[in-house]
Amino acid sequence: RKEVEQDPGPFNVPEGATVAFNCTYSNSASQSFFWYRQDCRKEPKLLMSVYSSGNEDGRFTAQLNRASQYISLLIRDSKLSDSATYLCVVNEAGTALIFGKGTTLSVSS
Amino acid sequence: EAGVAQSPRYKIIEKRQSVAFWCNPISGHATLYWYQQILGQGPKLLIQFQNNGVVDDSQLPKDRFSAERLKGVDSTLKIQPAKLEDSAVYLCASSSLPNYEQYFGPGTRLTVT
Repeated sequence: RKEVEQDPGPFNVPEGATVAFNCTYSNSASQSFFWYRQDCRKEPKLLMSVYSSGNEDGRFTAQLNRASQYISLLIRDSKLSDSATYLCVVNEAGTALIFGKGTTLSVSS
Repeated sequence: EAGVAQSPRYKIIEKRQSVAFWCNPISGHATLYWYQQILGQGPKLLIQFQNNGVVDDSQLPKDRFSAERLKGVDSTLKIQPAKLEDSAVYLCASSSLPNYEQYFGPGTRLTVT
């Protein structure tokens, strides 16, 4: 069975902190990787795709390590509005996306 | 651009009753997905359509769940009869290409008592 594993947290951090989430996947044939964000009682929304070379979008940095089958998301200078659940998502070409259970982040003032 | 529409937003039924959910994807999106999200877990794919054809329904409990997308646009998901463990949020999503960026609807929160 193809699995995506995440530390569920919760991660409780103060504003301005840097926090990192990790995700491992079991299927070495996986080709596409994403981080989605889900606010409480809302639908998931794409935060960013994860590219082999790593990519950055403002305060968010995503990295992929294919050899270790490991994905990470780094959030710098955390804001209150970053409080949410972050879902790691993986898929193999032509197959459905597989979602992790999510990691919950709570940023406090 | 209008997003993915779903109805109803909430539904409470008793076990063994039937229920149906409706989804209208983003205009022009050929791929439509139904997910089940149980509290504390990530979304789990139930069925994926490409236009009006089924691409993947391997995790759909076919003894009680059914889905259709007859004209390749909107879709319905039905549960008959419902069980207590079907209590979850049912999310519909669409994408312009299979397994490309997916846009989710607000979901239907189902409670089975």
